[in-house]
Amino acid sequence: DTAVSQTPKYLVTQMGNDKSIKCEQNLGHDTMYWYKQDSKKFLKIMFSYNNKELIINETVPNRFSPKSPDKAHLNLHINSLELGDSAVYFCASQWTGKSSPLHFGNGTRLTVT
Amino acid sequence: QQQVKQSPQSLIVQKGGISIINCAYENTAFDYFPWYQQFPGKGPALLIAIRPDVSEKKEGRFTISFNKSAKQFSLHIMDSQPGDSATYFCAASRGDDKIIFGKGTRLHILP
Repeated sequence: DTAVSQTPKYLVTQMGNDKSIKCEQNLGHDTMYWYKQDSKKFLKIMFSYNNKELIINETVPNRFSPKSPDKAHLNLHINSLELGDSAVYFCASQWTGKSSPLHFGNGTRLTVT
Repeated sequence: QQQVKQSPQSLIVQKGGISIINCAYENTAFDYFPWYQQFPGKGPALLIAIRPDVSEKKEGRFTISFNKSAKQFSLHIMDSQPGDSATYFCAASRGDDKIIFGKGTRLHILP
């Protein structure tokens, strides 16, 4: 069983479109994240949710809107896609607390043309 | 402001050699220092982690060395193998705060 699963794995779309990425974790973790990894492999945190509540929002454009219907799911909706949004987006989860490792999904490669 | 500085950006090592990746941090309140390993097409995965109350932690061929006074820590991969070729991220965190990642090191082990 995949611990953190994301769909779709690849997403190719045109500028101006709206798209969503879904994430589910079956580890029972109480905290979930979205990270963005650019072409240089930099990992940048975007959002963090704890028990469905937003706790981190890192200066991400308003076009990005996360939604957590329950603590096992965290989706990312992106409006009016721009070329600069092209990247790999990773969902991750962990137990809140010290020394708790992050468990990452395998990423969604978003290409905006 | 980058709180965890990682070097080198890329590293090429011969099979059987020792790979060394270094990280430096600024916040003395950090109390957890993990290393993550990422293979192409996959998400990062925890490799090994250390707390500042010990100076070294070893798991198989992977060792973290920690220097609290210098605010530095490093990952050593002994007897490096082609299967170790990946991107490695050092990280640091404090309590329940978010994990701060370094910028990553692309390691390539020559067969």
